[in-house]
Amino acid sequence: NAGVTQTPKFQVLKTGQSMTLQCAQDMNHNSMYWYRQDPGMGLRLIYYSASEGTTDKGEVPNGYNVSRLNKREFSLRLESAAPSQTSVYFCASIDEDEQYFGPGTRLTVT
Amino acid sequence: GDSVTQMEGPVTLSEEAFLTINCTYTATGYPSLFWYVQYPGEGLQLLLKATKADDKGSNKGFEATYRKETTSFHLEKGSVQVSDSAVYFCALSDRVGYSGGGADGLTFGKGTHLIIQP
Repeated sequence: NAGVTQTPKFQVLKTGQSMTLQCAQDMNHNSMYWYRQDPGMGLRLIYYSASEGTTDKGEVPNGYNVSRLNKREFSLRLESAAPSQTSVYFCASIDEDEQYFGPGTRLTVT
Repeated sequence: GDSVTQMEGPVTLSEEAFLTINCTYTATGYPSLFWYVQYPGEGLQLLLKATKADDKGSNKGFEATYRKETTSFHLEKGSVQVSDSAVYFCALSDRVGYSGGGADGLTFGKGTHLIIQP
């Protein structure tokens, strides 16, 4: 039981490049989340998916898209990366009230 | 809307000192309250939780009591260790009768960086 996994762990992009962050969970949870973490800002919700086939915007969705490929996988895509998207990105899934977090992806956009 | 306010750090203590990290909240309903811990280079892990007023959550020597009258959920530990150095997040979930996920799932404080010196 691996919990929540994320790939890659580190990534450097140039402004305007695109990439997809991958997330998978093996706990059979319905709901999954993408957050970004910035110094002094705590965690801010980007997108979430309450169930397979549904996605909704969170607090800071601009510049991102998501796909809930199946119950296990929830990916986050940056179509045209900007320096303001330099951050640590966390994926999470939820079981009732408790959220389980992945190890994070540290993204730098130059 | 819901919000969580916690003391910002860094908080620096000596080993074996007593720890308190303050957390207060505002919520429209009857939230569940959480403390998460993030060790360097890792994701967040649930440390403890309390789901109703006067409940006490505890784990690894840490405790927090859900105080509805003061809307607080302060984290305490009697004797900290160097290994407790981490960032601690207070959070709330305000979903009465909820059974799935949603944007209102968790509201986080900004985190408190705790540094324990030997």
